[in-house]
Amino acid sequence: GENVEQHPSTLSVQEGDSAVIKCTYSDSASNYFPWYKQELGKGPQLIIDIRSNVGEKKDQRIAVTLNKTAKHFSLHITETQPEDSAVYFCAAIPSGGYQKVTFGTGTKLQVIP
Amino acid sequence: NAGVTQTPKFRVLKTGQSMTLLCAQDMNHEYMYWYRQDPGMGLRLIHYSVGEGTTAKGEVPDGYNVSRLKKQNFLLGLESAAPSQTSVYFCASSGDLNTEAFFGQGTRLTVV
Repeated sequence: GENVEQHPSTLSVQEGDSAVIKCTYSDSASNYFPWYKQELGKGPQLIIDIRSNVGEKKDQRIAVTLNKTAKHFSLHITETQPEDSAVYFCAAIPSGGYQKVTFGTGTKLQVIP
Repeated sequence: NAGVTQTPKFRVLKTGQSMTLLCAQDMNHEYMYWYRQDPGMGLRLIHYSVGEGTTAKGEVPDGYNVSRLKKQNFLLGLESAAPSQTSVYFCASSGDLNTEAFFGQGTRLTVV
């Protein structure tokens, strides 16, 4: 089955700096890679996603890159703000959909004002 | 917009007790899922449904049962709770296989 490794498990950055979270996956059949943000006491919320036919996607301060050959994808947050503090999860999904999803173990991001 | 709503938000059970967690979505989604979230682990799929009247096992189904009698509702049951079922439970729904899944706010369950 699929195995998703996510690093780092915790990350502290100064407000205004950039944050990068990396995930690797093992199953080449995975073709959809969403990133979720989970704030304390809330459910995960999709912030950006990328499909295997795209190498990079950007949405304002958030970007995701995908390297299919190396089987890794990364979340980049620029100009971090205190409200970016949360736990971020990556996921890898094959064509079977969310019933086949494998989530990473999460990264706790702390943005220090 | 309500999205995905879970009931209850918190619950404490004694070992051996039973309970049902309710998930309701108002987005007319076909697909619904139940996950559990444990410290240091990613979300793990318990059961899922691909449409009204259907259910299927996920990665960690033992000790749980589900029902999808109505399209908008997905119920997760614990017949005889065990301390190992202490966890945060999330329901999610999606309109299609490889599109965004929307999550509820979670149910924190403690079994003592």
